[in-house]
Amino acid sequence: DAGVIQSPRHEVTEMGQEVTLRCKPISGHDYLFWYRQTMMRGLELLIYFNNNVPIDDSGMPEDRFSAKMPNASFSTLKIQPSEPRDSAVYFCASSRVKGRQGLYNEQFFGPGTRLTVL
Amino acid sequence: AQSVTQPDIHITVSEGASLELRCNYSYGATPYLFWYVQSPGQGLQLLLKYFSGDTLVQGIKGFEAEFKRSQSSFNLRKPSVHWSDAAEYFCAVGARGAAGNKLTFGGGTRVLVKP
Repeated sequence: DAGVIQSPRHEVTEMGQEVTLRCKPISGHDYLFWYRQTMMRGLELLIYFNNNVPIDDSGMPEDRFSAKMPNASFSTLKIQPSEPRDSAVYFCASSRVKGRQGLYNEQFFGPGTRLTVL
Repeated sequence: AQSVTQPDIHITVSEGASLELRCNYSYGATPYLFWYVQSPGQGLQLLLKYFSGDTLVQGIKGFEAEFKRSQSSFNLRKPSVHWSDAAEYFCAVGARGAAGNKLTFGGGTRVLVKP
């Protein structure tokens, strides 16, 4: 299994530009999560999807952030316009509910995208 | 809402010495508990997890953790640390049931290993 795939691995952009981060979850996983990691705030959950439907976007910091999951194998996180304070590492993770009772299962993380906004 | 506290931001340990990382959680019922490790420039990798049953959980890389309900703790241990264990470690709690498959992470503990 290839694991969770994220692209690009590094992104450097200028303030005001649009940034799109991409994620391919593990095949068969029905949950997808977007996290942001910074020194100041640690690891924050931004949004997560179940079966391609956004379930909780309460962690999305502002309207400049949006996320989509058009199908089970692809998700994007977009920042428009970007600002220097958006500089962070963005992780995508996926998981699969286990069993008919919906038992919990661990999340598998991608390698992250390091975003620098100048 | 659940929360996780990792009281130690940094820990320095000598190679070959034992390691214990503390994790305290707040949750109204029996939680799902996880330890993840993040090496520099990498994503998070699962070390071990507790769902139910035996409160002493064995993980990868020689790590183990013990769930203590009375203390709301899930401390991570390793009897003998290797230089490759230098990394950041995150404890996480998951909510059961209606809250979905959501994890709450602690702030992390950075482990430095001295030769």
